[in-house]
Amino acid sequence: GQQVMQIPQYQHVQEGEDFTTYCNSSTTLSNIQWYKQRPGGHPVFLIQLVKSGEVKKQKRLTFQFGEAKKNSSLHITATQTTDVGTYFCAGPGGNTPLVFGKGTRLSVIA
Amino acid sequence: DTGVSQDPRHKITKRGQNVTFRCDPISEHNRLYWYRQTLGQGPEFLTYFQNEAQLEKSRLLSDRFSAERPKGSFSTLEIQRTEQGDSAMYLCASSYSGSSYEQYFGPGTRLTVT
Repeated sequence: GQQVMQIPQYQHVQEGEDFTTYCNSSTTLSNIQWYKQRPGGHPVFLIQLVKSGEVKKQKRLTFQFGEAKKNSSLHITATQTTDVGTYFCAGPGGNTPLVFGKGTRLSVIA
Repeated sequence: DTGVSQDPRHKITKRGQNVTFRCDPISEHNRLYWYRQTLGQGPEFLTYFQNEAQLEKSRLLSDRFSAERPKGSFSTLEIQRTEQGDSAMYLCASSYSGSSYEQYFGPGTRLTVT
């Protein structure tokens, strides 16, 4: 079945440093979604990318969908302590509406 | 609050017992999803409904798991003869129809099987 892989698994950064997480799918995706899960919380939708090469920005967050629609990235500029959490990418997988990656856990050291 | 709600929030049960969880989706959403999440992992798809119809069930899901959405509103997930490996967070989510719509997650039910 379809697999979604994310790297790195963990990332520790100093507050103010940048952060990037990468997502790769074993198959071409019609769209990709990103979710954030705070410690002890539930996943919360951040954004959806649909078009090949699409780039979307939300304040300090920049999301990119690869040209082949098999990979994506999330970049956070100048991290803050409020960015702490696990970031998941997810894409449709056959009969499964969404297949989630294992996520990247971000820790921000003040 | 009109978000997704789940009940109970925590459940401790002994191995071999049956448990049932409830999920109330956002009222306008006709799709409802069940996921399982363990520590350090992403949500693992279990099953989903469109209105009252169960459209897909994970092939990895044991026959001990069953879900219903009888009137197309709330849903229940039952686990029969629980095992220690069933210990996890069970998440429910809802959305409009179609894979292009974001899913809204509930707070989850944490199951501990002793």
